[in-house]
Amino acid sequence: SQTIHQWPATLVQPVGSPLSLECTVEGTSNPNLYWYRQAAGRGLQLLFYSVGIGQISSEVPQNLSASRPQDRQFILSSKKLLLSDSGFYLCAWSVLAHQQFFGPGTRLTVL
Amino acid sequence: SQQGEEDPQALSIQEGENATMNCSYKTSINNLQWYRQNSGRGLVHLILIRSNEREKHSGRLRVTLDTSKKSSSLLITASRAADTASYFCATVLLNDYKLSFGAGTTVTVRA
Repeated sequence: SQTIHQWPATLVQPVGSPLSLECTVEGTSNPNLYWYRQAAGRGLQLLFYSVGIGQISSEVPQNLSASRPQDRQFILSSKKLLLSDSGFYLCAWSVLAHQQFFGPGTRLTVL
Repeated sequence: SQQGEEDPQALSIQEGENATMNCSYKTSINNLQWYRQNSGRGLVHLILIRSNEREKHSGRLRVTLDTSKKSSSLLITASRAADTASYFCATVLLNDYKLSFGAGTTVTVRA
């Protein structure tokens, strides 16, 4: 069966520090991968998506970047965090336009 | 920008009652999906309904889709305390695979 892992679960970082969040998927090949951010009490905003290794599309201009070094690994990064980067980050995978499977999320607080 | 909008924003019901929430969207879709999110957790897929379908059932869940009105509804019958969560609709546009989420409906089921 397929599983998706995200870590860390929570993270508190100072403004200006770097960020690296990792997401890995097991049990499927060549999935579409997605990074979302969710502000408190709000819906999900799509940040990045990837249809293959090294293929990254950004949905909104921001302080973050994403990379896909392996088929089932998706990384969200920042060189210098801003206060506005705080939020709940969710990774997900899908096959084409079918349902998406979400990871447990990372709660990021930037102080 | 968000494609879907849920209504109401919040709903409080007694255990055993039915809960109905609605979703409206703006442009033609490939499919519409409903997800549930427990507080601080990842999203769980509930139902996917394709644009050529009008109604789907899964256990105590019933989803309808009216493409002429660009709207969908999610009905939870005989609610339980465990149904307390936020519910999101998400649409996939034609010739696309990305999900566009609404802001969600927060459902509280009182024992």
